[in-house]
Amino acid sequence: QSALTQPASVSGSPGQSITISCTGSSSDVGGYNLVSWYQHHPGRAPKLMIYEVSMRPSGVSNRFSGSKSGNTASLTISGLQAEDESDYYCCSYASSSTYVFGTGTKVSVL
Amino acid sequence: QLQLQESGPGLVKPSETLSLICSVSGDSISSNTYYWAWIRQPPGKGLDWIGIIYYSGSTYYNPSLKSRVTISVDTSKNQLSLKLASVTAADTAVYYCAVITGTTFDYWGQGTLVTVSS
Repeated sequence: QSALTQPASVSGSPGQSITISCTGSSSDVGGYNLVSWYQHHPGRAPKLMIYEVSMRPSGVSNRFSGSKSGNTASLTISGLQAEDESDYYCCSYASSSTYVFGTGTKVSVL
Repeated sequence: QLQLQESGPGLVKPSETLSLICSVSGDSISSNTYYWAWIRQPPGKGLDWIGIIYYSGSTYYNPSLKSRVTISVDTSKNQLSLKLASVTAADTAVYYCAVITGTTFDYWGQGTLVTVSS
């Protein structure tokens, strides 16, 4: 069970859009529409931002959106704001009731 | 709304067993609405899924930890438990408990740091 691959860092200016990729295999990302994304500020509990590839929990800004193509899922943050600066992790169901997380991406707002 | 809080020793010696508790408030841990999980984050690294327990009592573990980990539920105390045997420095991490109410980890505890050192 290998960690999903994410870019180590992504940056953008306020107001811009950025996209974070999450690459796995047909055994996880590609095999199920059960990819989720978490925002994680160090020292705090991770916060669910996207579930089931593209669904937003109540209370999460519509500036956050998710998609998937093949074995790669993506999180897009539009209208980037300073408060979006954080670590982001993808997570996928990986069969037999197991889960796998991504390597994590640090988002910086320039 | 569910609230989760991890607790346990912050320091464990190598080769010993790490034991953590997750206290749940806001609903019954035995409800068939929830699945319960443990996740950890070693210093400077990413999140690592440890395992999950269903309301039926069935457990599923990360293959890399399966031989050393036990997750259980104490319904009388509304608590989730994690035991990790034969720990090494590589098990030093912030440990989180989390709950699945739908298809993924909806709510998390604040996490507790466990250091493995003699």
